[in-house]
Amino acid sequence: DIQMTQSPSSVSASVGDRVTITCRASQGISSWLAWYQQKPGKAPKLLIYAASSLQSGVPSRFSGSGSGTDFTLTISSLQPEDFATYYCQQSTSFPITFGQGTRLEIK
Amino acid sequence: QVQLQESGPGLVKPSETLTLTCTVSGGSISSHYWSWVRQPPGKGLEWIGYIYYTGRTNYKSSLKSRVTISVDTSKNQVSLKLNSVTAADTAVYYCARTQGVLDVKHYFYYMDVWGKGTTVTVSS
Repeated sequence: DIQMTQSPSSVSASVGDRVTITCRASQGISSWLAWYQQKPGKAPKLLIYAASSLQSGVPSRFSGSGSGTDFTLTISSLQPEDFATYYCQQSTSFPITFGQGTRLEIK
Repeated sequence: QVQLQESGPGLVKPSETLTLTCTVSGGSISSHYWSWVRQPPGKGLEWIGYIYYTGRTNYKSSLKSRVTISVDTSKNQVSLKLNSVTAADTAVYYCARTQGVLDVKHYFYYMDVWGKGTTVTVSS
C-alpha cells in the first residue's frame, strides 16, 4: 500500500496567517492527489484534486501544488471557518489511501 | 444538487453482518463510481471499496473477504455489507460519489460528494 504522511500532525495559527500543510507519498503518485477538509462531526469536503485543481465553490485562498512524492496545501489567509482537519488522498494504486490528517487549530 | 444519505442499524452485534444503504437523490447513480469510507472514533479515514454503476467493484484487500458492495440502479441506491464484524469495525461510515478520471492508461479517483455519515457501533 502507498503510505501518505502528512506534516505537521497539528498546527496552531491565527486568522489572517498563511499556512502550509505537507503530504508525502511513500512512492511516486504523479499528480493524482486530493485534499479534503473535515470539521468535527461533519463529512469530509473535497478542496483540491489532481494536486492543484480547485474544486468548484472552494475559496481561492486554498491552493495545492506538487507532483511525484511531495505535495502541499496552502491557505493564503486563514479565515475562522478554515479551522478543521485536513487530509490528503492518493489513488495511483489500490487501495486508495489517506494521510493521517493535520489538525489546524486557532492560536 | 446530488445528495447522499446513509442508513442502517446503529448497533450491530459481534460476528454479525453490518448492512448499510446509501440513497442518492438529485442525480443519477449512472456513470459514476460510489465509494464507502469509514472513520473509527477519533481516527482518520479508511477507504473500504467502490462500485461502478455497472456493478464492477474494487475492495481494500484487507477487507475483501468480508465486504460486498452492490448497486441498485432502479432505486438509486448503493449498499455495503460487512460480515463477521468486531469492535474494530466501529466507525462512522460514509458513502461518497467518486470521480474516475482517465489519465493516459490509468484511472485516478477522488470523492467529490459525501453523505453525512452514519455511526455504527459493534457491541453485544
